Amino acid sequence: AQTVTQSQPEMSVQEAETVTLSCTYDTSESNYYLFWYKQPPSRQMILVIRQEAYKQQNATENRFSVNFQKAAKSFSLKISDSQLGDTAMYFCAFIYNNAGNMLTFGGGTRLMVKP
Amino acid sequence: KAGVTQTPRYLIKTRGQQVTLSCSPISGHRSVSWYQQTPGQGLQFLFEYFSETQRNKGNFPGRFSGRQFSNSRSEMNVSTLELGDSALYLCASSVSGRSADTQYFGPGTRLTVL
Repeated sequence: AQTVTQSQPEMSVQEAETVTLSCTYDTSESNYYLFWYKQPPSRQMILVIRQEAYKQQNATENRFSVNFQKAAKSFSLKISDSQLGDTAMYFCAFIYNNAGNMLTFGGGTRLMVKP
Repeated sequence: KAGVTQTPRYLIKTRGQQVTLSCSPISGHRSVSWYQQTPGQGLQFLFEYFSETQRNKGNFPGRFSGRQFSNSRSEMNVSTLELGDSALYLCASSVSGRSADTQYFGPGTRLTVL
C-alpha cells in the first residue's frame, strides 16, 4: 500500500516571501504521478502542480515549483512570492499508473500567509 | 465549462437513516471518484466509476455504495448512518479515468450525523 506523509501540519509565511512544504511517500511502484492540491477555506480543491515520476525535470507552474527526489521519495512544494490568496490547506497526493483515479493523500499542511 | 457540482451542499441526518449524495461531472468527463474528508482520517478514497462501472473501491464498509448513470452523473448512498460518517464528501471528475488525468473536484457535501 502507498502512504503519503506531510510532516508539517501548519506553516506560516510573510507575504512576498518563499515557503517550502514537505511531502514524502512510500511505494514499491516505479511508474506513478504526484500532485499538490490546494484547498482554500471555501473548500473547493484545486490542482496546483503535478509531476510524472518518469520525468527527471522538476515541474514548475508560475510561482509554484517542486523538488522531486525519486530515490529519496520526496516531493516538496516551493511557493515563491507568497500571496494572501495562497492561504489554504495543501495536500500532497500520489497515484500509481493503472490505478484509475484512486488518489492517496497526505494529511495536509495548513499554510497561513501573513500580511 | 461548468465545474463539478455536488448537491446538496449541506445535510443533517440522524443515526440509522440513509442518505444519497449527487455529483455532476464536468461535461465530457466520464470518470467520477468519491472521497471522504474528516479531521481524523483526512482524505480517503471511497470509489471510482467509469462508464457506469465501479472500477476501484476503497476500504469502506458495504453501507457505502454508489452508482453512475449514462450521462456520467454519479450518486453515492450511505445506509444506516453512524456518527462517524459525519464528513465532507468530495467528488472529482476526470476525462477518461486514467491515472495521469487531472481530477477536478467539486465543492463537497457536508454531512452531519446526529
